Amino acid sequence: AAGVIQSPRHLIKEKRETATLKCYPIPRHDTVYWYQQGPGQDPQFLISFYEKMQSDKGSIPDRFSAQQFSDYHSELNMSSLELGDSALYFCASSILTGTDYEQYFGPGTRLTVT
Amino acid sequence: SQQGEEDPQALSIQEGENATMNCSYKTSINNLQWYRQNSGRGLVHLILIRSNEREKHSGRLRVTLDTSKKSSSLLITASRAADTASYFCATDHRGEGAQKLVFGQGTRLTINP
Repeated sequence: AAGVIQSPRHLIKEKRETATLKCYPIPRHDTVYWYQQGPGQDPQFLISFYEKMQSDKGSIPDRFSAQQFSDYHSELNMSSLELGDSALYFCASSILTGTDYEQYFGPGTRLTVT
Repeated sequence: SQQGEEDPQALSIQEGENATMNCSYKTSINNLQWYRQNSGRGLVHLILIRSNEREKHSGRLRVTLDTSKKSSSLLITASRAADTASYFCATDHRGEGAQKLVFGQGTRLTINP
């Protein structure tokens, strides 16, 4: 079965650079979520999109922006990178089944800021 | 502060024993989900329990939910070395048109052969 695809899987950037992470949800899934997981930390919700519109927003820095495109893929843009942005970034997608949304996570993009 | 808090933070047991992990949360939820994560890898969905359910089974996994106490437990029976991983509970909070998951801090489980 198709899974959530994230690219790149690994990314190394320097401070103050920009990075773009991409997420391709499972076909027919209508919602995309982004999470950030720092070293030894639990995943933190950043932002979500439903039918290409932002649907919920968490602790996402102003330096980050995201969007969902007409083909439902999503991109997380990160500018003025800081050392503290080094983390695993997960994308998840979901579709309503019955009364519940079950989120399926991608393998993550490991961002290292040096 | 985190919505979900897990206890214990680390658990080390012998293969074949049962492992129990607990999770507490603060506000009302639609459902609670448990995920597994191998070191530095992706999150694998294990089981979802709805707010109107009290117990759910899936293979060697048993999840309970007590909404009056705002707590859940994950029991892994007859543990195997391959069960070594971090386990997170995540509570589902429904926003307009979508939901976000709020994760607990996770329990790092080590199964010793």
